[in-house]
Amino acid sequence: GQNIDQPTEMTATEGAIVQINCTYQTSGFNGLFWYQQHAGEAPTFLSYNVLDGLEEKGRFSSFLSRSKGYSYLLLKELQMKDSASYLCAVLSGGYQKVTFGTGTKLQVIP
Amino acid sequence: KAGVTQTPRYLIKTRGQQVTLSCSPISGHRSVSWYQQTPGQGLQFLFEYFSETQRNKGNFPGRFSGRQFSNSRSEMNVSTLELGDSALYLCASSLAEVLTIQETQYFGPGTRLLVL
Repeated sequence: GQNIDQPTEMTATEGAIVQINCTYQTSGFNGLFWYQQHAGEAPTFLSYNVLDGLEEKGRFSSFLSRSKGYSYLLLKELQMKDSASYLCAVLSGGYQKVTFGTGTKLQVIP
Repeated sequence: KAGVTQTPRYLIKTRGQQVTLSCSPISGHRSVSWYQQTPGQGLQFLFEYFSETQRNKGNFPGRFSGRQFSNSRSEMNVSTLELGDSALYLCASSLAEVLTIQETQYFGPGTRLLVL
């Protein structure tokens, strides 16, 4: 089976940096996604890690360690609009089977 | 290019009824995946179709079924509805046969189903 864990909720201050962790246990790992989902909206793609290391994209960075079954999403220079749920998802096995964590609800406060 | 569309957007049904939800992928996309999202369980994978073939299936009872047509449009059906089926049902499409960083999934707005 597969197991994906991430914190349920986090709060951070506008302008600060926040790190959202995700740990996973899976067989046949192919890659790890991070999605952002605002309340009442569909998830939108943020990043995809296949190899170990850091992927940077503007204010967002994502890190992967396959040996530790661990990833994190780093958000810099937080803005109020970053208040959303952040979903960690693992691609495993054949083709398109994507397993999502339950998501981390981030609240950015002034 | 139009995004993924899902119809209807909202639906109210009663226990025991059946429901059919529709998903039109982005033009040219051949893979369609379905997910159920509830506050307690998060996003759970239902099934995935590619070129009219079901390639993957999640751990849902047989009451949940789906299909894909030759134009890549997909439908999912839930029979004998239960209260616990109340959820947001999301459809996602992708271009490639295998997900990559360049060819990721794009989600539709979802169909919110309420079972009374």
